[in-house]
Amino acid sequence: DVKVTQSSRYLVKRTGEKVFLECVQDMDHENMFWYRQDPGLGLRLIYFSYDVKMKEKGDIPEGYSVSREKKERFSLILESASTNQTSMYLCASSLGFGDTDTQYFGPGTRLTVL
Amino acid sequence: GENVEQHPSTLSVQEGDSAVIKCTYSDSASNYFPWYKQELGKGPQLIIDIRSNVGEKKDQRIAVTLNKTAKHFSLHITETQPEDSAVYFCAASKGSGNTPLVFGKGTRLSVIA
Repeated sequence: DVKVTQSSRYLVKRTGEKVFLECVQDMDHENMFWYRQDPGLGLRLIYFSYDVKMKEKGDIPEGYSVSREKKERFSLILESASTNQTSMYLCASSLGFGDTDTQYFGPGTRLTVL
Repeated sequence: GENVEQHPSTLSVQEGDSAVIKCTYSDSASNYFPWYKQELGKGPQLIIDIRSNVGEKKDQRIAVTLNKTAKHFSLHITETQPEDSAVYFCAASKGSGNTPLVFGKGTRLSVIA
């Protein structure tokens, strides 16, 4: 069965802290994605990766960075967390693009920055 | 780039009635259109998809229609049940290059028993 796991369901951090959100997929998928979800704004793509060590900016990359050292793991990094980064963060993976672009999502991490 | 508009943002229906959610897209090169359902506390999950060489696809109580000329596609849920209550997202993809899905903003469907 397809599985995407995220390291935490809930996370509370202080302003200025460095925050790591981890995502692991067990499907040998090429692509991995990080989204944030806010009420009324839908799913907004932060970064994606189509290969190990490759990354591409999405629609809202400011304030975030990513790391993909292994195929199955994709990390989202908030270098200095701010209150406007309080949100639900969703990780996804897909086999490829186009016809194979079915994305499989993790359960999400609700991050609160105080 | 691609832009996907989704309407309505919220929808309430009586149990047993039908629900329709509509999306429009801007890029005529898009050729793959999936729909995702997000239940409370979970990540979105694919429920049905359609490719541009097909006008309609059905899976039990859900169906999706695609009008390539008008650049819009719709999700139809018949005989709605309380467990259909969720947020639904449409998406579009060009199917070429390293181009990820573009999602609509979502529709919160409430089925009232």
